[in-house]
Amino acid sequence: GAVVSQHPSWVICKSGTSVKIECRSLDFQATTMFWYRQFPKQSLMLMATSNEGSKATYEQGVEKDKFLINHASLTLSTLTVTSAHPEDSSFYICSAMRVNTEAFFGQGTRLTVV
Amino acid sequence: LAKTTQPISMDSYEGQEVNITCSHNNIATNDYITWYQQFPSQGPRFIIQGYKTKVTNEVASLFIPADRKSSTLSLPRVSLSDTAVYYCLVGPLSNTDKLIFGTGTRLQVFP
Repeated sequence: GAVVSQHPSWVICKSGTSVKIECRSLDFQATTMFWYRQFPKQSLMLMATSNEGSKATYEQGVEKDKFLINHASLTLSTLTVTSAHPEDSSFYICSAMRVNTEAFFGQGTRLTVV
Repeated sequence: LAKTTQPISMDSYEGQEVNITCSHNNIATNDYITWYQQFPSQGPRFIIQGYKTKVTNEVASLFIPADRKSSTLSLPRVSLSDTAVYYCLVGPLSNTDKLIFGTGTRLQVFP
């Protein structure tokens, strides 16, 4: 089946630094990818829709200058958390769909900001 | 996108059948119903998808009544490894339409 891969699986960074998370669709082309954030014991919250070759569309309340999304190719989208702070610590998940199938999710990235 | 309502949590014992119902009163004509399973610190994993009536695969069955305003995920003979959060999502099979997650149902299976 289709696979969406995220990297890294976990990352620890110092407050004030930036962290990049990669999301790749391994065996299909994804014109659109989605980024979610999940806090402990809570559901997934959609952050933004990543469109290949164009600007991402952010959900209300998500700071676009804080969470930079780049979708440079049909198989790769990146999320960069800029000037990370402890409150940005969370589980970040990407997803992608092929046409007329279910969505496929990456394994998630656990970000800890210290 | 249709809003979904599920029980927050359910408990079961190994070997029992578990039925999780999801309400989606505002489902649109071109919407499909998809269920995902999520273990801690992992991304959601596809379980089953359907449009109407009944769908069955090797892990679950999905029952959808004629009015499609609800659906029931049925897990036969659950085991401890089925302890997870189960999400019901409703939407078109479009690769550009965003998926909005509801609260999900936290299933706890006891020995």
